[in-house]
Amino acid sequence: GAVVSQHPSRVICKSGTSVKIECRSLDFQATTMFWYRQFPKQSLMLMATSNEGSKATYEQGVEKDKFLINHASLTLSTLTVTSAHPEDSSFYICSATAGDRGPWTGELFFGEGSRLTVL
Amino acid sequence: ILNVEQSPQSLHVQEGDSTNFTCSFPSSNFYALHWYRWETAKSPEALFVMTLNGDEKKKGRISATLNTKEGYSYLYIKGSQPEDSATYLCAWGAWGAGNMLTFGGGTRLMVKP
Repeated sequence: GAVVSQHPSRVICKSGTSVKIECRSLDFQATTMFWYRQFPKQSLMLMATSNEGSKATYEQGVEKDKFLINHASLTLSTLTVTSAHPEDSSFYICSATAGDRGPWTGELFFGEGSRLTVL
Repeated sequence: ILNVEQSPQSLHVQEGDSTNFTCSFPSSNFYALHWYRWETAKSPEALFVMTLNGDEKKKGRISATLNTKEGYSYLYIKGSQPEDSATYLCAWGAWGAGNMLTFGGGTRLMVKP
């Protein structure tokens, strides 16, 4: 199956700093990648959808200036948490679909996730 | 917010037991229902994607059914093995929801040898 690699798996940073999380599709071209966030004991919540070469589409309530998403190539999408604060501490995970199948009929291929702790 | 509910939240079974979980979702505007298995420290892995009412899918000892009219899906595991221990997620896709798949909170299965 298609493989998505996400780094770093864990990151601890000081309040006010920025953190970048990378999501790579290793053996397929991911036209669309999705970024999710999961708080403890809650469901995965979609933050944004990124399409290669265009601006990301953010879900309601997600600050686009705080969570910068770049999808510069068909195999790499990055999420930068800018000026991170303790309330941004969470589990972030990316996913992608292969080919031209949307997220409804095509399965999602997930990264391993990144746990962010902001001190 | 349209909720996707999974029950039970957690389940402990003995090796060899058969088990099943439920995913409930809004029946309106249904497009697709996904099931994923998520082992600790690994990536969620797709089990099934179902789109048609009455769909039944099977992969080895795991099978799933779908009822879009009443808004539920069942996941069955026959003869549970310790390696089946994981969190099982379902996700609902609906017409008009853009790219959003709404995930349930998951069912955490622990199989004791």
